[in-house]
Amino acid sequence: AQKVTQAQTEISVVEKEDVTLDCVYETRDTTYYLFWYKQPPSGELVFLIRRNSFDEQNEISGRYSWNFQKSTSSFNFTITASQVVDSAVYFCALSNYGQNFVFGPGTRLSVLP
Amino acid sequence: GAGVSQSPSNKVTEKGKDVELRCDPISGHTALYWYRQSLGQGLEFLIYFQGNSAPDKSGLPSDRFSAERTGGSVSTLTIQRTQQEDSAVYLCASSRGGLAGDNVRHEQFFGPGTRLTVL
Repeated sequence: AQKVTQAQTEISVVEKEDVTLDCVYETRDTTYYLFWYKQPPSGELVFLIRRNSFDEQNEISGRYSWNFQKSTSSFNFTITASQVVDSAVYFCALSNYGQNFVFGPGTRLSVLP
Repeated sequence: GAGVSQSPSNKVTEKGKDVELRCDPISGHTALYWYRQSLGQGLEFLIYFQGNSAPDKSGLPSDRFSAERTGGSVSTLTIQRTQQEDSAVYLCASSRGGLAGDNVRHEQFFGPGTRLTVL
């Protein structure tokens, strides 16, 4: 069975600090996709990234970066120089072509001014 | 252009009634997803439509749940004989390409959700 673990339930940082959100997944499939989503206090989900299992290159988008390591089944998300607007719940998810699409429980990030 | 829209924004119904939730994806998006978010279950995937392919229904929690996508555009999620545990926010998303598409075409855009309360 597929499973996603986000061990950090809540994280608080002060603005401008870097923060890493952990995501560990379990799957027996060789082909799969990993995702990160953001849910700000307004409630609307925002898609951040999809990574397929054959692409282990790290991804950087502005202050956001993702570290995918198949050896440890992890897909961690780092926010550099955090801002108050980064405060949200962040979800990691795992899917194989839509089947067995599983979300982690989410990590609530609070960035304090 | 317009984003993903969902209607109604809120729905209160009595246990045992049927409800229909609607999703209007972004024009031209071939893939459409339904999810739900509840306090007890967190975020759950429900169903995925991609083009003219048969939908992936692997996430539907019971046979009371069904979904259609007419003409490759609007989708309706129907819940029959609603139960209190169906209370949740139902989210719809669309993307230009499906799960197997390239990263840019796969980017999902979410609607504001429909909050369903079953009394």
